[in-house]
Amino acid sequence: DVKVTQSSRYLVKRTGEKVFLECVQDMDHENMFWYRQDPGLGLRLIYFSYDVKMKEKGDIPEGYSVSREKKERFSLILESASTNQTSMYLCASTTGSQEKLFFGSGTQLSVL
Amino acid sequence: SQKIEQNSEALNIQEGKTATLTCNYTNYSPAYLQWYRQDPGRGPVFLLLIRENEKEKRKERLKVTFDTTLKQSLFHITASQPADSATYLCALALSSGNTPLVFGKGTRLSVIA
Repeated sequence: DVKVTQSSRYLVKRTGEKVFLECVQDMDHENMFWYRQDPGLGLRLIYFSYDVKMKEKGDIPEGYSVSREKKERFSLILESASTNQTSMYLCASTTGSQEKLFFGSGTQLSVL
Repeated sequence: SQKIEQNSEALNIQEGKTATLTCNYTNYSPAYLQWYRQDPGRGPVFLLLIRENEKEKRKERLKVTFDTTLKQSLFHITASQPADSATYLCALALSSGNTPLVFGKGTRLSVIA
């Protein structure tokens, strides 16, 4: 079975903490994405990567950074967590043609 | 401006009926369109892809149509069941090259027994 694994299902952090969300895929996909999903706002793209060590800003990159040191792993970093970053975070991967995205189960992050 | 819209936030239908969900877009030139299903607290799961030169695609009880003149895709679930209750997302892949998919906000479908 193909898999996109996100390190945590639920996470609670304090304001100002540095937060790492990890995502690993086992399908040798070139493309990886980080989204956040909030009620009424749908999926919003934070960052994406089409190759190792490559990253591109999505629609809402402010307050986030990413790292892709290996093809299978794409990390999302919240440098200094704030309460407005409380959300469901979803990682996805796909081949270059983007004909089918595979999503992880998501991380529900609460920043208190 | 560019927009992708799913016709309603929520749709309730009776078990056994056909559910029809709509995805409209403006100012995009999609190469293809995809539909995903998302259950509460889970990531979306791919269902179907339809290309710009295809009118219709079927998979079991699912049917998708794509009308590039109307700039619209319809997603049908025939003989709906309570287990079909979920949020359904449409997503566009643009013709303009290697850019990320554009997602609609989704329609939450409830099938009532």
